[in-house]
Amino acid sequence: QVQLQESGSGLVKPLQTLSLTCTVSGGSISSGGYYWSWIRQHPGKGLEWIGYIYYSGDTYYNPSLKSRVTISVDTSKNQFSLKLTSVTAADTAVYYCARGPSGYGNWFDPWGQGTLVTVSS
Amino acid sequence: IQLTQSPSSLSASVGDRVTITCRASQGISSYLAWYQQKPGKAPKLLISAASTLQSGVPSRFSGSGSGTDFTLTISSLQPEDFATYYCQQLNTYPLTFGGGTKVEIK
Repeated sequence: QVQLQESGSGLVKPLQTLSLTCTVSGGSISSGGYYWSWIRQHPGKGLEWIGYIYYSGDTYYNPSLKSRVTISVDTSKNQFSLKLTSVTAADTAVYYCARGPSGYGNWFDPWGQGTLVTVSS
Repeated sequence: IQLTQSPSSLSASVGDRVTITCRASQGISSYLAWYQQKPGKAPKLLISAASTLQSGVPSRFSGSGSGTDFTLTISSLQPEDFATYYCQQLNTYPLTFGGGTKVEIK
């Protein structure tokens, strides 16, 4: 079964760039059929979808973050990555990677365990 | 599309029937999913397309609705069901989630 695991820096200084990587196991990103997404959850709050990437490199970003977000894919490593520039305290959140959307529907399944990123000097 | 869940929290006892509602700011046909999230864990997909139960999800969970009004029902609440539940609309980009409903032990 497909599993996802986030990795990256848990502490980022204000105005710097947040960088996270999601490693996929149990399935190949290159096999197609699924987009691969980043989603975040502010402490004690709800969920915000950041954007997705396809193995071909096609992306879609949430307009609320579009100017600061880049999602990339490395099919040779079966990974996809998130970069968020010019971070502030408002970007402190648990960041999840997830499989989806797909041709079956625009839901997310499965999810990684999540990684907390704190923005602080 | 904005999703409004109600209530934001509820207290219930084991064995109770629990209903959570999700209202969309515009019609989304049956393009809605429900997730369960336990503390410190990632959300887990329960229901897709408003009423399709995912494999392995207990049959006490059910979803219904279309257009703008949707419900998630737990027919007989079990101890492992105490969690926060989120709806997500599948219809329009950007994909969005409801604010969550926390189900607590009475």
